[in-house]
Amino acid sequence: GAVVSQHPSWVICKSGTSVKIECRSLDFQATTMFWYRQFPKQSLMLMATSNEGSKATYEQGVEKDKFLINHASLTLSTLTVTSAHPEDSSFYICSASRGGTKNIQYFGAGTRLSVL
Amino acid sequence: SQQGEEDPQALSIQEGENATMNCSYKTSINNLQWYRQNSGRGLVHLILIRSNEREKHSGRLRVTLDTSKKSSSLLITASRAADTASYFCATDMDSNYQLIWGAGTKLIIKP
Repeated sequence: GAVVSQHPSWVICKSGTSVKIECRSLDFQATTMFWYRQFPKQSLMLMATSNEGSKATYEQGVEKDKFLINHASLTLSTLTVTSAHPEDSSFYICSASRGGTKNIQYFGAGTRLSVL
Repeated sequence: SQQGEEDPQALSIQEGENATMNCSYKTSINNLQWYRQNSGRGLVHLILIRSNEREKHSGRLRVTLDTSKKSSSLLITASRAADTASYFCATDMDSNYQLIWGAGTKLIIKP
């Protein structure tokens, strides 16, 4: 159990276009979903935390108008990179938590975004 | 959201040897977790140790926690080529579902 699907796994787009990444918890309801960005050979950088039905909480330095997060249901969160530019090229990973005291996060496989 | 340090940054050993990675953190914690990431993939939860536990085992994994030193270690015994991956520790604090991530250790197992 605790499978998280992230789609697409790889996307190439032109500068100025928007890209939507989906994150779904397939066999459980996620109280909270997280969006991370990861640069090569580095650790995870938390971008935002989202709870179903409420606005996402963005980390300092992350532009909320640039990275739109929608958490429409307990099993689906989306990240839209608006007007993407080459500097937005990165590896984006989502995770979902069931909550509770153990606070384990279940990760999607990640999305490699390349902006030309 | 990164507060942990891990050492070594990279570790290369022969298959069959044991691999030990260390993690240090800065604040008091509820739990400490270890995750594994294969190249270009998401992370997979390996093991969780609570702040009131000192040692935990899961298969070939052994985790220790020393809250007085704010450090943890992950031991992988009898390593296999398939253990090649990056390993991250993560901690959480009271009532905050965010995890604070270590910098990671890249482990290479040579066949």
